[in-house]
Amino acid sequence: EVQLVESGGGLVQSGRSLTLSCRGSGFIFGDYAMSWVRQAPGKGVEWVSFSRSKAHGGTTEYAASVKGRFSISRDDSKGVVYLQMDSLKTEDTAVYYCTRAVSYSGYEQFDYWGQGTVVTVSS
Amino acid sequence: DIQMTQSPSSVSASVGDRVTITCRASQDISSWLAWYQQTPGKAPKLLIFAASNLQSGVPSRFSGGGSATDFTLTISSLQPDDFATYYCQQANTFPFTFGPGTKVDIK
Repeated sequence: EVQLVESGGGLVQSGRSLTLSCRGSGFIFGDYAMSWVRQAPGKGVEWVSFSRSKAHGGTTEYAASVKGRFSISRDDSKGVVYLQMDSLKTEDTAVYYCTRAVSYSGYEQFDYWGQGTVVTVSS
Repeated sequence: DIQMTQSPSSVSASVGDRVTITCRASQDISSWLAWYQQTPGKAPKLLIFAASNLQSGVPSRFSGGGSATDFTLTISSLQPDDFATYYCQQANTFPFTFGPGTKVDIK
């Protein structure tokens, strides 16, 4: 059974840093792209970051709202993807979901999601 | 960036009703659209990928259609578990973008 379990959320002051982790199990982690998606309280869903598998270059993508502040990385040997969040802003307050991205004809969609971890940034 | 819009923003319906939600992309995304269902307090769940392909395990009362800029999600006969918020997402180009959501609630 595919499972994604996030950790690392919490309350942090504006300007500080936080690192989220997501451990995957039940699948060959290194074969899949992984992504982070967030949802601010009472709002819709926003894609944040994407990490391609090594077989597809291992490159990364970011939303404009977090580019230069957030960094996604992965350790395939441990089955973990990370999201390093620096210079946090109050507008980064959200539930952060780890997702597995499955490719269909070269295009990605998010077929498994974790339960989410809450990040609250205070001013 | 590709902007996604959805209509209606909310719909009230009864069990057994047929419900159709529309999603529009600001530019041609071919068939690279996914639909997700989210119930309160839970993560979104993939329903449809590549515009019309049903994700494994999703009931056949859900169907998707469309291409280029205009897409639909149809629930043929609404069931109690279907009262939720539905999001479309374009998978054509980074940055991936989601629609604002359509809430389906009980009439």
